[in-house]
Amino acid sequence: DAKTTQPPSMDCAEGRAANLPCNHSTISGNEYVYWYRQIHSQGPQYIIHGLKNNETNEMASLIITEDRKSSTLILPHATLRDTAVYYCIVRPYTGGFKTIFGAGTRLFVKA
Amino acid sequence: GAVVSQHPSWVICKSGTSVKIECRSLDFQATTMFWYRQFPKQSLMLMATSNEGSKATYEQGVEKDKFLINHASLTLSTLTVTSAHPEDSSFYICSATPGQLENEKLFFGSGTQLSVL
Repeated sequence: DAKTTQPPSMDCAEGRAANLPCNHSTISGNEYVYWYRQIHSQGPQYIIHGLKNNETNEMASLIITEDRKSSTLILPHATLRDTAVYYCIVRPYTGGFKTIFGAGTRLFVKA
Repeated sequence: GAVVSQHPSWVICKSGTSVKIECRSLDFQATTMFWYRQFPKQSLMLMATSNEGSKATYEQGVEKDKFLINHASLTLSTLTVTSAHPEDSSFYICSATPGQLENEKLFFGSGTQLSVL
């Protein structure tokens, strides 16, 4: 089973920041938090990942709480092309690193 | 970034025939590859994990004789849907990772839409 919970859907205005929350209260000490997104009928696209420090790259920022039980993905200036399903995943250290997807959050960016 | 190529993008076949889907890592060696299937408006469901040179590990409820996985090289894994039936119609996605470190990224193919008539 997926170890994360996310809201099923969110709306965001174009040009505004999109803040997507994720709860992973049972995360273990050496498990990373990964974010992927899937645009309709395509394979998932890697966005960002982190362990305990906040991370930023050209696509997004990842804010992880100090207790690591939750995180937020931030798309600083959402565009219409950011409309997708966003998946927050906790990746296990053992078990072949298999990645289990939860239901994700369907983000609608509106003009 | 790393590229995972998946072919074909879509396939239509008659019921009872077999279909092979290829997944290639183009610029890295993939020690582990994963196969997923996805039904409309649902999340990805992990089917199996394949490691180069060894038998695949199937998730509970996935028929290993129905979905044959071969990972003969570090850059190629194949999924064969044997004796396909309409209920096997789905979006199949492969993914690959170059290593065993806990912070390795997972790279995904573009998916294969299978329609069984």
